[in-house]
Order: sequence, then C-alpha cells, then structure tokens
Amino acid sequence: EVQLVQAGAEVKKPGESLKISCVGSGYTFANYWIGWVRQVPGKGLEWMGIVYPGDSDTRYSPSFEGQVTFSVDKSISTAYLQWISLKASDTAIYYCARTDPFIAGRPFDFWGQGTLVTVSS
Amino acid sequence: DIQLTQSPSTLSASVGDRVTISCRASQSIGTWLAWYQQKPGEAPALLIYRASTLETGVPSRFSGSGSGTEFTLTISSLQPDDLATYYCQQYNTYSGTFGQGTKLEIK
Repeated sequence: EVQLVQAGAEVKKPGESLKISCVGSGYTFANYWIGWVRQVPGKGLEWMGIVYPGDSDTRYSPSFEGQVTFSVDKSISTAYLQWISLKASDTAIYYCARTDPFIAGRPFDFWGQGTLVTVSS
Repeated sequence: DIQLTQSPSTLSASVGDRVTISCRASQSIGTWLAWYQQKPGEAPALLIYRASTLETGVPSRFSGSGSGTEFTLTISSLQPDDLATYYCQQYNTYSGTFGQGTKLEIK
C-alpha cells in the first residue's frame, strides 16, 4: 500500500528555521516525483514545486523560489521542505504528494496527511 | 504561468441532482488536467486525470471531459458523501497550477 506520512504540527516564531518531512512507503521512492502543496487555512491549494528523489532534480513555482528549499534522502525514502527564516505568512498546512507527470502522466495520486505549520510571535 | 479559472465558486444542489463544474485554462494544456476532491479536514484525493480518466476506486458517477482550454467535471447523481471542495489542476509543465476551487454544498 502506497503511503506518505508527514511530520506532526509545528509551532514556530518569526525568523526561526524549520524542516518538515514526508516519508514514502509501499513503492519505489526514487522513481516518483514528490510535490509540495500549500493550503492556508480556509483557502485553496497552491503548487509549490516538485523534487525527483532519483537525482534530486528540483522545480519550484516562481511564487516560492528562494523562499523554501526541497531536499530528499532516498536512502530513507524521505523528502523535506525547509525554511531558513519563517514569516507569519508561512502559516499553513503543507502537503506532500506523489506524482509521475512526465512518463506515466500521473498527477498527485497519493497524498500525505499534511503538516500544519503555525508561525506566531 | 498558466492560470486556471473554476466556476462556479460555490454550488448548492440536492441529492440526486446532476452537477457540473467548469475549469478554464489561460492557454491550451491538451488533456493534462486533473480533478481532486477535498473533504473538510482531509487531504485532497485524486478523482480524474488526463481530463477524463477515472482514478481507480472512484465511483462511476464522477466523469471528466474537455481538452485544450475548457474542461468539465460532472457528478451524474449527487450523493451526500460528495460534500467537498473540488479543484482542477494542470500538470503538463514544470508548474502545476490549481484552480481556486468549487465548494459543493448539499441542499
């Protein structure tokens, strides 16, 4: 069974750093892109970008480039989303999701449960 | 960037009704369009990909159509479990834009 399991909720202060995780299981982690999606509470979905665990190829949405960093450790089937200096406007639920858009033509077919990040002084 | 515009933003319908949600792309995306359902408090779930292919396990009352810039999600007979927000997404480039969502309410 394909699963993506995300880290628990985080509460941080503005200016602090944070790295959240997404662990894949039930499939060959290196062979599928992992995407990150932001959802501000009560609002819609925003595509942040994707990372390919096989070679760490990364594509960011222009809206998020320079604001966050994607990374992976394929040896432990884990993808990461990182901030160096959080802002209050980063408060949101962050989802990871599996995708294979370029070969199989599959969009986000399996999703993590989401990690709520709250940034408040 | 490709923009997606969904209509309507909210929709109220009765059990058994046929429901249609539209998604318009700012430029042609072929059939690289997906539809997702997000129930309150849950992660989104894939319903349809390549504009009209039903994801495994999704009830057959859901269907998708369209190509180019105009797409439609149809629920043939609305069920109480369909209370959710529905999103379209284009995924034919390295930028996977979402529509703004359509909130479906059951009368």
